[in-house]
Amino acid sequence: GAVVSQHPSRVICKSGTSVKIECRSLDFQATTMFWYRQFPKQSLMLMATSNEGSKATYEQGVEKDKFLINHASLTLSTLTVTSAHPEDSSFYICSARDIRDRVSNQPQHFGDGTRLSIL
Amino acid sequence: QKEVEQDPGPLSVPEGAIVSLNCTYSNSAFQYFMWYRQYSRKGPELLMYTYSSGNKEDGRFTAQVDKSSKYISLFIRDSQPSDSATYLCAMSAYSYGQNFVFGPGTRLSVLP
Repeated sequence: GAVVSQHPSRVICKSGTSVKIECRSLDFQATTMFWYRQFPKQSLMLMATSNEGSKATYEQGVEKDKFLINHASLTLSTLTVTSAHPEDSSFYICSARDIRDRVSNQPQHFGDGTRLSIL
Repeated sequence: QKEVEQDPGPLSVPEGAIVSLNCTYSNSAFQYFMWYRQYSRKGPELLMYTYSSGNKEDGRFTAQVDKSSKYISLFIRDSQPSDSATYLCAMSAYSYGQNFVFGPGTRLSVLP
């Protein structure tokens, strides 16, 4: 089946650091990738939609200068949390749509998430 | 009122029990419905997806949608300890692949 790989799985860093999280589709091409944030015991909240070769679309309330998204290829999207602070600590999850699935209307494939802890 | 509501649990059942997990929603435009399973510290894993009203069965899992009541269910037969996870419903008015809303999830524990 379709595999989405996220790296790193765990990050612990000091306040003020910028952190980059990678999301790769391993066996399919993804024109669209999504970034979610999940706080403990809460559901996933969509942060932004990333389209290959164009600017990401951010959800209301998400700071685009804080959460930089780059989707430079059909298999890779990156989320950079700039100048991270303790309140940015969360579980970040990406998902991807197979380029062929838009036609057949199949659900997204999710990565295993990145647990970010800012000290 | 939240757009999608789900009892957070935890729901504890003995091994072999039939589990019923439910979501209610307020947006009558939703017509694409999904169930995901999320193990601790992992991303969601798609279990089932259904369109509009009706039932769909896959192995031990059955998904039901009642659009008139704005209510969806996931049934797990012969539950196993490996089914212990958080179950998230998700739904969309447009497609399975985009613009969908997740429920908060129900934590399930199946006791051996």
